[in-house]
Amino acid sequence: GAVVSQHPSRVICKSGTSVKIECRSLDFQATTMFWYRQFPKQSLMLMATSNEGSKATYEQGVEKDKFLINHASLTLSTLTVTSAHPEDSSFYICSARAAGGYQETQYFGPGTRLLVL
Amino acid sequence: AQSVTQPDIHITVSEGASLELRCNYSYGATPYLFWYVQSPGQGLQLLLKYFSGDTLVQGIKGFEAEFKRSQSSFNLRKPSVHWSDAAEYFCAARPHSGGSNYKLTFGKGTLLTVNP
Repeated sequence: GAVVSQHPSRVICKSGTSVKIECRSLDFQATTMFWYRQFPKQSLMLMATSNEGSKATYEQGVEKDKFLINHASLTLSTLTVTSAHPEDSSFYICSARAAGGYQETQYFGPGTRLLVL
Repeated sequence: AQSVTQPDIHITVSEGASLELRCNYSYGATPYLFWYVQSPGQGLQLLLKYFSGDTLVQGIKGFEAEFKRSQSSFNLRKPSVHWSDAAEYFCAARPHSGGSNYKLTFGKGTLLTVNP
């Protein structure tokens, strides 16, 4: 099956620093990648959608200058949390969708736990 | 508005018992439907999906789901639950059309506890 990896799996940083999270599709090309945020005991909240080679589309209420998304290749997307604050602490999950066909399925990465001190 | 509802926040079953997790959707047209499972601290794993055709869908780990158009439902079932099935289960849907940026809509999830 399709595999999506995320790195790091867990990160702790100081308030005011920036953190980069990588999302890779290991065995397929992902034309579209999605970034989600999940609070404890809650469902996934879509933050943004990115297509390879173009700017990401952010959901309402998500600060695009704070959550920088780059989808530079068909297998890699990055999320950078800039000037992180404690309220940014969360579980971030990426998802990738393979190219071609109308019945594409989204595959999810294992998530990254971010703790901002 | 498009929505996915999982009426049960938490379900507890005994190991070996049967399981049914409910999911209802509200869309203008029948969407594509998915069930994902999330173990603690992990990402989501796809259990099964329904696009069209046979309304009874088989998935991994012995799970199946039945699409019922008349009830706008896509309930997940397993005849005999194992302790390792304890996890959070999410039902999700997306429209058939929407361009390259279609979005999955998730239910709030159902936490499954399995008693020995």
